[in-house]
Amino acid sequence: SDDLSQPLSVSVSPGQTASITCSGDKLEDSYVAWYQQKPGQSPVLVIFHDTRRPSGIPERFSGSNSGNTATLTISGTQSIDEADYYCQAWDSRPAVIFGGGTKLTVL
Amino acid sequence: QVHLLESGPGLVKPSETLSLTCAISGASTTTSYWNWIRQSPGKGLEWIGYFYYSGSSNNNPSLESRVTISLDTSKSQFSLNLRSVTAADTALYYCARGLGPPQRGHFDYWGQGKLVTVSS
Repeated sequence: SDDLSQPLSVSVSPGQTASITCSGDKLEDSYVAWYQQKPGQSPVLVIFHDTRRPSGIPERFSGSNSGNTATLTISGTQSIDEADYYCQAWDSRPAVIFGGGTKLTVL
Repeated sequence: QVHLLESGPGLVKPSETLSLTCAISGASTTTSYWNWIRQSPGKGLEWIGYFYYSGSSNNNPSLESRVTISLDTSKSQFSLNLRSVTAADTALYYCARGLGPPQRGHFDYWGQGKLVTVSS
């Protein structure tokens, strides 16, 4: 995959489930990672190897990757989850590619 | 706990070379690959390249001809040189540790970022 596409923004009500998609050609052939970035802070890894959570990341964060689309799901979304989210994979060159980012709003 | 800290000039003149260093603490330099990633103001993330402790490296094809990344294991630091900069290179530059084999991996620790402005 040479480009990763994410929605510019996603809105969710507190306590509901937020889903952020990341699309790219043959994305399932690559491991996908997800990063959370709050204003003025460095990105934080929340999902790696498509589905795995680093230690310290709440269980409400989960991931999947099938076909051309990877999805980050946040169950029981909280106000502290409001942030920008970026997906990351490797393309065939090989080079790291990032999605353009999705702004998650919890309202 | 792994800690990464970027350092270097915050202002670089057009056509000159941007040079940054990332100090590594709490981790061995010989078990990971070491990356530079940048973020233009208000924009998304762009991977610049990595240096692997084995001596191999890989750079973003769009920056390839201008980038050199090196690793100094004796000082536990790695560096970025970006030549012939323009205003388009103004960004927040992050160093990050790569885990998992290159081509399949991800970034588990990031520095705080170093803002570099290209201006005369």
